[in-house]
Amino acid sequence: AQSVTQLDSQVPVFEEAPVELRCNYSSSVSVYLFWYVQYPNQGLQLLLKYLSGSTLVKGINGFEAEFNKSQTSFHLRKPSVHISDTAEYFCAVSFLNDMRFGAGTRLTVKP
Amino acid sequence: SAVISQKPSRDICQRGTSLTIQCQVDSQVTMMFWYRQQPGQSLTLIATANQGSEATYESGFVIDKFPISRPNLTFSTLTVSNMSPEDSSIYLCSVEHRGKVEQFFGPGTRLTVL
Repeated sequence: AQSVTQLDSQVPVFEEAPVELRCNYSSSVSVYLFWYVQYPNQGLQLLLKYLSGSTLVKGINGFEAEFNKSQTSFHLRKPSVHISDTAEYFCAVSFLNDMRFGAGTRLTVKP
Repeated sequence: SAVISQKPSRDICQRGTSLTIQCQVDSQVTMMFWYRQQPGQSLTLIATANQGSEATYESGFVIDKFPISRPNLTFSTLTVSNMSPEDSSIYLCSVEHRGKVEQFFGPGTRLTVL
């Protein structure tokens, strides 16, 4: 079975600074990878996904992620964050309709 | 992506009672799922709602506690039965379209059991 580890439970950064949210996965088969964002009191919104092809994927709100098969990682990055990016971010892995989520990373952007 | 609504958006319930949560999608979808998100935690899959047949439950979740219906391709319900304070969580439904692998989520139902 596949699993996901998000290495940081909380990441505080200042506005306009770059940020990286780390995600590692474990699977014996090829999987699909996702990042979701959850704003306070809302459901999850898909930020980006990796299915195949280019290892660098771009998503909404200026986020991007890089798939690294050798390191089994799928880290999320943004070059300059805004206050409005404050939210919970979940990395997820999927195989045959079975989606598993990481524990989440709380990103707090400070002025 | 689909537009997904959930009712109620939140509720406060008494111990021992039951609550039914509805999930409505604006288009036909192949897969519908129900998740639980306990306070400050990640999502845990409760079950896959199958149209026209019994739901498929994950380990640790049983039909008697979380009965699920899916009468058609756009609607599903999850009932939380005989509630206790430990059932206080956000319950989310999600959908997956045919040929797609990503899931889209509803806004969630925030349940508090006293």
